[in-house]
Amino acid sequence: DIQMTQSPSSVSASVGDRVTITCRASQGISSWLAWYQQKPGKAPKLLIYAASSLQSGVPSRFSGSGSGTDFTLTISSLQPEDFATYYCQQANSFPRTFGGGTKVEIK
Amino acid sequence: EVQLVESGGGLVKPGGSLRLSCAASGFTFSSYSMNWVRQAPGKGLEWVSSISSSSSYIYYADSVKGRFTISRDNAKNSLYLQMNSLRAEDTAVYYCARDRGWNDPWFDPWGQGTLVTVSS
Repeated sequence: DIQMTQSPSSVSASVGDRVTITCRASQGISSWLAWYQQKPGKAPKLLIYAASSLQSGVPSRFSGSGSGTDFTLTISSLQPEDFATYYCQQANSFPRTFGGGTKVEIK
Repeated sequence: EVQLVESGGGLVKPGGSLRLSCAASGFTFSSYSMNWVRQAPGKGLEWVSSISSSSSYIYYADSVKGRFTISRDNAKNSLYLQMNSLRAEDTAVYYCARDRGWNDPWFDPWGQGTLVTVSS
């Protein structure tokens, strides 16, 4: 199974800050990686797919990069509605696996 | 509007069974692979199972293999998860999620989830 390791597990940031979250796969997954945002009590929402493609309707302040084993989600200028938990997920093979999540909190 | 609505959750005793349903609308259900993902209280996301559009391909997480069965009825636009021999560690919100497209294995959209509690 492919293990997905996210860091940090939590980050405190202010509105307007640039936030970077990393995700590492235990083996190469090419660009078969997605990022999801989840707010408390809500279902996850797809933000980025294929490592760097922005899902329709997602603000352009979100961006993804990387390939192989190392990936990054960047929020260029944090907005109040961005405080949430973010998960990476690999779709290279079954079983699908998620990272442990990164909680973005208000500083 | 694309919509997924789960139902069937509830309180069940260890060793018991439960059948979850996911009603799909707003898209051609028979053209998409579907998935179940769960989230234990206060924990992260865990993929549970996936089924291809024609049910030809089915996959399970090791944690549920042999106990859970995924199925679908394309005529009824519905996805199911039969859960047997339930354990306390199966307690979670269960989400159904559609693949984004053909060879597009990203989970989008998701339903609102249904809570399964396994407790005596």
